[in-house]
Amino acid sequence: EAGVTQFPSHSVIEKGQTVTLRCDPISGHDNLYWYRRVMGKEIKFLLHFVKESKQDESGMPNNRFLAERTGGTYSTLKVQPAELEDSGVYFCASSQVLHAYEQYFGPGTRLTVT
Amino acid sequence: DQQVKQNSPSLSVQEGRISILNCDYTNSMFDYFLWYKKYPAEGPTFLISISSIKDKNEDGRFTVFLNKSAKHLSLHIVPSQPGDSAVYFCAASAQAGTALIFGKGTTLSVSS
Repeated sequence: EAGVTQFPSHSVIEKGQTVTLRCDPISGHDNLYWYRRVMGKEIKFLLHFVKESKQDESGMPNNRFLAERTGGTYSTLKVQPAELEDSGVYFCASSQVLHAYEQYFGPGTRLTVT
Repeated sequence: DQQVKQNSPSLSVQEGRISILNCDYTNSMFDYFLWYKKYPAEGPTFLISISSIKDKNEDGRFTVFLNKSAKHLSLHIVPSQPGDSAVYFCAASAQAGTALIFGKGTTLSVSS
């Protein structure tokens, strides 16, 4: 069974540009989450999808961040326009409806905004 | 305010000895706790978990203990191996399927 995959693995962009991160969850996992880790701090929750619906987006920092999960499969996280403080590692995780506590993480996308 | 705290940034242990990683939490609504292991340039890997209705869960060399009255949990690794060297994150959840709240992590170094 393939794990959670994320693309790209690393992105370097200039302040003011747009970046789109992609996450493919484990097949059959209806729950999909985005998290972010900034500068060695704790991993922080951004938002949670159940299938294609946003269940909780309380962790989204501001309206420069837009997440979508069309069709309830893969998800994208767009940052527009990017700011310096957006730099960090963005993780995607997924879980089944049963055993929903156990979230499985992807390798992350390292975003560097210069 | 941090709801999940890992107060030791690092821990060094010799191969074969026991590693004990600690985690404290403040939110009494948390009902499920997890430990994740993370190698550099990889995502966190689920290691072991415990429900708030239990006080111990064991899986091979890994045991998690939960003390609800003290709002404290610990991860024991026995015996420690060099391959266990990684960052260990404690995480908690108040409801199945909702956001995980993470601690800042403890870097474990196991020397041979």
